[in-house]
Amino acid sequence: EIVMTQSPVTLSVSPGERATLSCRASQSVSSYLAWYQQKPGQAPRLLIYDASTRATGIPARFSGSGSGTEFTLTISSLQSEDFAVYYCQKYNSWPPTFGQGTKVEIK
Amino acid sequence: EVQLVQSGAEVKKPGESLKISCKGFGYTFTSYWIAWVRQMPGKGLEWMGIIFPGDSDTRYSPPFQGQVTISADKSLNTVYLLWSTLKASDTAMYYCARRGSSSWYADSWGQGTLVTVSS
Repeated sequence: EIVMTQSPVTLSVSPGERATLSCRASQSVSSYLAWYQQKPGQAPRLLIYDASTRATGIPARFSGSGSGTEFTLTISSLQSEDFAVYYCQKYNSWPPTFGQGTKVEIK
Repeated sequence: EVQLVQSGAEVKKPGESLKISCKGFGYTFTSYWIAWVRQMPGKGLEWMGIIFPGDSDTRYSPPFQGQVTISADKSLNTVYLLWSTLKASDTAMYYCARRGSSSWYADSWGQGTLVTVSS
């Protein structure tokens, strides 16, 4: 089974700064990679799919890149509403699996 | 607008059975797969399984095979997650989510159903 590992576990960032989150797969998942945002007490929300395609309604400050085993989610200028937990998910093969999450907190 | 509306929170005892539901609105229900995702307290997301309501084709992630049953009633635009014998370790938030149009990511999510299993 492919294991997804996210880093760092916690990222402390000041509002307005850039945040870079990483997701690594234990073997290639091509571009079959999604990113989700989850705020406390809420359901996850799809941000990015196919590694770099923004989902409907997602602001342009969110961008995804990478392929194979190394992926990055970049938030160009953090807004107050962006402090949350972010999960990556691979879906090249069954079962789809998530990383353990990165918490983005206010510095 | 696509909406997935889940049934309310449940408190059950170990050994009891339970069925929770997820009803779809705002799209052609029989054309999209619906997944169930578990989130244990303070933990991450786990993909449990998925069903195609159009023909009830169902797939389970290995850890959940034989532990739960996923079913659908397309006449009610509803998908279900069923336990026959609950355990304390089933305590979690359960989300239903619609599979994206192109692959196995989830593009819309229900609000979640909290299941608490305690004696």
